[in-house]
Amino acid sequence: DAMVIQNPRYQVTQFGKPVTLSCSQTLNHNVMYWYQQKSSQAPKLLFHYYDKDFNNEADTPDNFQSRRPNTSFCFLDIRSPGLGDAAMYLCATSRDATGGSEQFFGPGTRLTVL
Amino acid sequence: GQNIDQPTEMTATEGAIVQINCTYQTSGFNGLFWYQQHAGEAPTFLSYNVLDGLEEKGRFSSFLSRSKGYSYLLLKELQMKDSASYLCAVKDSNYQLIWGAGTKLIIKP
Repeated sequence: DAMVIQNPRYQVTQFGKPVTLSCSQTLNHNVMYWYQQKSSQAPKLLFHYYDKDFNNEADTPDNFQSRRPNTSFCFLDIRSPGLGDAAMYLCATSRDATGGSEQFFGPGTRLTVL
Repeated sequence: GQNIDQPTEMTATEGAIVQINCTYQTSGFNGLFWYQQHAGEAPTFLSYNVLDGLEEKGRFSSFLSRSKGYSYLLLKELQMKDSASYLCAVKDSNYQLIWGAGTKLIIKP
């Protein structure tokens, strides 16, 4: 089945210790997104790639970086995690960015910062 | 600014009908989505509306009025597995998806 895969599902890191979250997709979609979602809040878009074009949201902290080495994979790097970065990180894909193009989500990575 | 409003929480009874409302104020409009999100899981797509009117898909229906900036998700014959958060999201003029915080639906036997 075509899908969006995220690894790991749960990640524990220490304050200030860099961490990388990964996402892969078998849907061959052009667009990949990274969201941060905290409990009972709306998903917050961090960045998205349209193919290789990187789009950073204006309020995404510099502490967050992303890489998309090929169509299938995308990574989220948190350079120096703080306690406020503990959240669910969701990767999503869409065929394109047009109106009716829905986003397909991976299962998420829950990040704990000690 | 852009804004999506939904009730924070609703309670309904198994077998009943519930309507979850969503109002929006966005810079432009390129469609409205409803997603279902079970606790600790990722959102899954339920429906998409871009024209006014009602879209029916099994037990779930979604309605849109663009002139009123309003949508609702109607869930019929509620089942316990429908207990989840329901998120409303609107694509703005830049095709960015603006998300609501979600409505937590609690189903009681």
